[in-house]
Amino acid sequence: DADVTQTPRNRITKTGKRIMLECSQTKGHDRMYWYRQDPGLGLRLIYYSFDVKDINKGEISDGYSVSRQAQAKFSLSLESAIPNQTALYFCATSDWRGTGELFFGEGSRLTVL
Amino acid sequence: AQKITQTQPGMFVQEKEAVTLDCTYDTSDPSYGLFWYKQPSSGEMIFLIYQGSYDQQNATEGRYSLNFQKARKSANLVISASQLGDSAMYFCAMRGVTYSSASKIIFGSGTRLSIRP
Repeated sequence: DADVTQTPRNRITKTGKRIMLECSQTKGHDRMYWYRQDPGLGLRLIYYSFDVKDINKGEISDGYSVSRQAQAKFSLSLESAIPNQTALYFCATSDWRGTGELFFGEGSRLTVL
Repeated sequence: AQKITQTQPGMFVQEKEAVTLDCTYDTSDPSYGLFWYKQPSSGEMIFLIYQGSYDQQNATEGRYSLNFQKARKSANLVISASQLGDSAMYFCAMRGVTYSSASKIIFGSGTRLSIRP
């Protein structure tokens, strides 16, 4: 099983619908992240979390919300999806000690019609 | 504010040649870390190499090396003896190194590398 698991892997939805992307990890890391990837723009940070009590906005948090339900779970919500939120979304974890490299999930491809 | 710039949207290189992928950065943090990730067409993100801003030597990992020039704020990735399997998107990323700033890791826009046989 993957260390960082994202569900769903693919989702097609309609404008105005509420969508939740879920992420769980077995790495025991305290830090979790949500990024979105768009062609030509790289990965942009949406939200990140130190631990269950600490959540921080990233570069592009408008239109998104998150919940850290437990150390191992971090979900991303789109309250009212719009077409320009069509993107590939990545969850990642890191341990701030050492290099702090990110460990990524496999990505969730979201299409908003 | 932190910023990562990758100015090469795409590159073509002949197999077995060395290739340099450019990355410049901007930060006000006194210390920081720099990463390179590879994203093949399958979509997964693969960690390649890490450089700390106070590391005395440039980082190396197999065929990958990081040409770190602190005064110029550049952290270029060098791939020696390129292989067809190196064809992918490559992203440069940066983080702070304090307990708080270490969480915010930002990425550049990426370079698509294509290796010609």
